[in-house]
Amino acid sequence: SQTIHQWPATLVQPVGSPLSLECTVEGTSNPNLYWYRQAAGRGLQLLFYSVGIGQISSEVPQNLSASRPQDRQFILSSKKLLLSDSGFYLCAWNLGGEPQHFGDGTRLSIL
Amino acid sequence: QKEVEQNSGPLSVPEGAIASLNCTYSDRGSQSFFWYRQYSGKSPELIMFIYSNGDKEDGRFTAQLNKASQYVSLLIRDSQPSDSATYLCAPKGAGNMLTFGGGTRLMVKP
Repeated sequence: SQTIHQWPATLVQPVGSPLSLECTVEGTSNPNLYWYRQAAGRGLQLLFYSVGIGQISSEVPQNLSASRPQDRQFILSSKKLLLSDSGFYLCAWNLGGEPQHFGDGTRLSIL
Repeated sequence: QKEVEQNSGPLSVPEGAIASLNCTYSDRGSQSFFWYRQYSGKSPELIMFIYSNGDKEDGRFTAQLNKASQYVSLLIRDSQPSDSATYLCAPKGAGNMLTFGGGTRLMVKP
């Protein structure tokens, strides 16, 4: 069966520091991969999605970037975090038109 | 701009009652509709999806879709305290992209 892993589960970072969040999927090949952010008490905002290695589409301009160095690996990065980057970051995957399945998320707090 | 509207709640129902969660969407090109349940502090989990107009039942859950009215709903029968969560509506438009509503917080009181 397929599984999705995200880490770390929680992260506290100072303003201006870099960020790297990692997501991996097991048990499938060539998945679509997604990064979402959820602010406290709000809905999910799609940040990036990828349909293949090296293929990244950005939905919202911001100081974040994403990369997909391997088929089942999706990385969310920032060179300098802002206070507004705080939130719950979720990675998701699917195949074709099937439903998306989410990882456990990373709760990011910026001080 | 694709929009998905949900009443943020909280929707409070007594244990054993039917909870009715509603969602309207703006993208007439949406073909598939997903309901996710999100417990506080946790990630969303898929509970239902519906593609065709009408009703789809799965255990205590029934999804209802009316594409002409751009309306989708989720009914939860015999509500339990464990159903207390936020329910997210997510239509799927072009390119497999989901647009999430803000969610409705459901509280089931014993």
